[in-house]
Amino acid sequence: SAVISQKPSRDICQRGTSLTIQCQVDSQVTMMFWYRQQPGQSLTLIATANQGSEATYESGFVIDKFPISRPNLTFSTLTVSNLSPEDSSIYLCSVDGTVQETQYFGPGTRLLVL
Amino acid sequence: GESVGLHLPTLSVQEGDNSIINCAYSNSASDYFIWYKQESGKGPQFIIDIRSNMDKRQGQRVTVLLNKTVKHLSLQIAATQPGDSAVYFCAEKAAGNKLTFGGGTRVLVKP
Repeated sequence: SAVISQKPSRDICQRGTSLTIQCQVDSQVTMMFWYRQQPGQSLTLIATANQGSEATYESGFVIDKFPISRPNLTFSTLTVSNLSPEDSSIYLCSVDGTVQETQYFGPGTRLLVL
Repeated sequence: GESVGLHLPTLSVQEGDNSIINCAYSNSASDYFIWYKQESGKGPQFIIDIRSNMDKRQGQRVTVLLNKTVKHLSLQIAATQPGDSAVYFCAEKAAGNKLTFGGGTRVLVKP
């Protein structure tokens, strides 16, 4: 399985600011995924990030609010822009397994917006 | 503190007993299913998977059952231990490599 790290692990931000979350994988992967997990809830896919192309966003998520970069095969960033308290969530990145079809997840970034 | 599982259904089980966690999935075209375990403060951890051409798969202390007729998935944990306390999610995958997660179940193991 891939080893995935995320930075920061947690943050407290003021409304109206932005937070950029980094995701680093220890191997080259084609697809990286960003999820949101709101308090007490399940995971919802925000977007799929492929290297060299625009991210593909799910219904309800837009690039202006959640811009994503994918500069190479081991790294991606998710920015949560113009923060509001409703953005308080855990944000997780994941990658497809190279052998299995499963996805492996990073530890998550816990965001609290005041 | 961590709020994962705060509003999810809870399964309380005595240590040493077997646990059964159920999941109804939505897409009849899904061909791959995964169970994840999420402990407080961590990301989801892969437990076991199953393809749609199977109806049962066993791992170490865990068994996944798939009933495609009624679109139902279950995870059985044998001899539940305190370390099994966590939130458990099922996920389904159809075309496009996208995972869709179920609502989750919090398992609380009582000593």
